[in-house]
Amino acid sequence: DAGVIQSPRHEVTEMGQEVTLRCKPISGHDYLFWYRQTMMRGLELLIYFNNNVPIDDSGMPEDRFSAKMPNASFSTLKIQPSEPRDSAVYFCASRVAGGRRNEQFFGPGTRLTVL
Amino acid sequence: GENVEQHPSTLSVQEGDSAVIKCTYSDSASNYFPWYKQELGKGPQLIIDIRSNVGEKKDQRIAVTLNKTAKHFSLHITETQPEDSAVYFCAASMGNQFYFGTGTSLTVIP
Repeated sequence: DAGVIQSPRHEVTEMGQEVTLRCKPISGHDYLFWYRQTMMRGLELLIYFNNNVPIDDSGMPEDRFSAKMPNASFSTLKIQPSEPRDSAVYFCASRVAGGRRNEQFFGPGTRLTVL
Repeated sequence: GENVEQHPSTLSVQEGDSAVIKCTYSDSASNYFPWYKQELGKGPQLIIDIRSNVGEKKDQRIAVTLNKTAKHFSLHITETQPEDSAVYFCAASMGNQFYFGTGTSLTVIP
């Protein structure tokens, strides 16, 4: 398996623009997680899905952030409108339910810069 | 919610020496403690984990210890090598949510 796939790897946009980040989890994984990583706050969980259903979105910072998972192989994280303070690395992770480990497999991340 | 603290934030060691990173957690219900290694430009990757019913676990040069009473756990890397240089994160979990520490940047000096 290719692992968790994220696109784009880098995104530079201007304040006020809409940004869409994409994630393809590992095939067969039941859970999908979106994280944000910054120097100040480290790795923060934004939202996670189980079987394509959002379970906990309490980490989503504001209404400007939204996430969807229309099917088991695709998820998006959208920021509209974007602001400079949204600049961070965004990771997607997935895991399988009932595995021997609770291991979450992370994608390579999307580095977002909002000017 | 859970609060995980990690120390030190930076650590430099000579090649061949040992490195120790420590974490504390606040919620006694946490029962799974993974450690992740993040190399530059990549996502975190699991290197070792431990469950609350175990006090110690070892995998070659890497070991993790857990003290449930004191609510702290540590990562030990022996015989460090330059390729061990990376950022290491601890985490505590009681279900699907992982609560991460703030990371330790480890530099192994050749």
